[in-house]
Amino acid sequence: EPEVTQTPSHQVTQMGQEVILRCVPISNHLYFYWYRQILGQKVEFLVSFYNNEISEKSEIFDDQFSVERPDGSNFTLKIRSTKLEDSAMYFCAMSGRAGELFFGEGSRLTVL
Amino acid sequence: GESVGLHLPTLSVQEGDNSIINCAYSNSASDYFIWYKQESGKGPQFIIDIRSNMDKRQGQRVTVLLNKTVKHLSLQIAATQPGDSAVYFCAEALPYNQGGKLIFGQGTELSVKP
Repeated sequence: EPEVTQTPSHQVTQMGQEVILRCVPISNHLYFYWYRQILGQKVEFLVSFYNNEISEKSEIFDDQFSVERPDGSNFTLKIRSTKLEDSAMYFCAMSGRAGELFFGEGSRLTVL
Repeated sequence: GESVGLHLPTLSVQEGDNSIINCAYSNSASDYFIWYKQESGKGPQFIIDIRSNMDKRQGQRVTVLLNKTVKHLSLQIAATQPGDSAVYFCAEALPYNQGGKLIFGQGTELSVKP
C-alpha cells in the first residue's frame, strides 16, 4: 500500500491569496489525483495527473487551479486566487496495483 | 449521467451486531467498485474492492456484495465494533475509456453504540 504525505495539514489564508498544497508519495507512481471534500459532503474528483501531464480534470478544476510535479517527487496543487468556497479538505491520492486509490491524510484549507 | 449514491445517510447499530451499508450506482459500464472508510479529520481509507465479474468478496470482518442487475452494492461488517464508527463511502471506477476516475457516493455515517 503506497503511502502519501500531504503538507500542510491546515492552511488558513485570506481570500484572493495563492495557496500551494503539497503531496509526497513514498514510492514511485505515475498516476496522481487530487480530490476535494467540502465539510460534510462527499469526496469530489478534481484532477488526474499521469506522466507529468493532466489526463483529466473536472469542471471544478478551473483556471484558478494548476498542478505540477516540479522536482519529480513532490506533486503540488496550486490555487491562484482563493475564494471562500475553496475552503475544504484537499486529498492527494495514488493508485495501487489493482487500480484502487490510496489517499493521504489531507490538507485542510480555510479561506477567510 | 454518472452518479453513485447511498440509500441511508446514517446508520446506528449495537456493538456486536452486523452492519449493512448500501449503495446504488448508475453507470452500468463501471467495472470496479471500492468501499472507503473515513474517520473524522482523516483521509478515505481503502476497505475492500470488487470487480464487476464478481458477486461477492470477503475480507476480514467485511464482505462486499455486488448486484449488477439492479446496480446495487453493499458493505457488510460483521460483529461491528466501536472502532468501526465512521463515514463509509462507496466509489465507482469509470472504465478507462471514460476517464477511469473514481466517483464517490454521498457517504453513510455509521454509529456503533456500546
